[in-house]
Amino acid sequence: DAGVTQSPTHLIKTRGQQVTLRCSPKSGHDTVSWYQQALGQGPQFIFQYYEEEERQRGNFPDRFSGHQFPNYSSELNVNALLLGDSALYLCASKSRLNTEAFFGQGTRLTVV
Amino acid sequence: AQSVTQPDIHITVSEGASLELRCNYSYGATPYLFWYVQSPGQGLQLLLKYFSGDTLVQGIKGFEAEFKRSQSSFNLRKPSVHWSDAAEYFCAVGAGNNDMRFGAGTRLTVKP
Repeated sequence: DAGVTQSPTHLIKTRGQQVTLRCSPKSGHDTVSWYQQALGQGPQFIFQYYEEEERQRGNFPDRFSGHQFPNYSSELNVNALLLGDSALYLCASKSRLNTEAFFGQGTRLTVV
Repeated sequence: AQSVTQPDIHITVSEGASLELRCNYSYGATPYLFWYVQSPGQGLQLLLKYFSGDTLVQGIKGFEAEFKRSQSSFNLRKPSVHWSDAAEYFCAVGAGNNDMRFGAGTRLTVKP
């Protein structure tokens, strides 16, 4: 079992650009959540996807959007990147029937 | 509103000494409580979780935590710390299929 996998591991983008991050959930999991972890802080909830729909959303602007595919994998898209978007982006997956979430290693996004 | 407070930003203990990391939460319903550990540049690994039942829960790597409803606390303990325990520790609260709210984390340094 590969666990939760995220790609890419590192990414450098220029302010104003757009970025797409990808996540493959752990086998058997159908729910994917995305978190942003700024340096020195705890993870902040962005949104959660289940059955290809956004089910919950944290306090993030509309520049942050996502998608879930029929195979349960997910993408996080961020438009009009700001310097403040630089962070570690974590994907977590779980089964809808279980509360335990498993995290990927994250994607380190640097906006310059 | 859900919130988690980890009062200690940084703790230093000697190898072999006991450890207690504090966590206080605010939640309107019966919370699900978690402790995660994060090594530098890595994702989050679940140490233990509390949903209901026995208020003293055992986790991996010799960690345990005690849920105290009257104090809204879920402190993490380990009787004897190893150098490999040096990492960032996060307490989180959630419920059912809701998202998790994380504390800001406590960085643990282990002195030889």
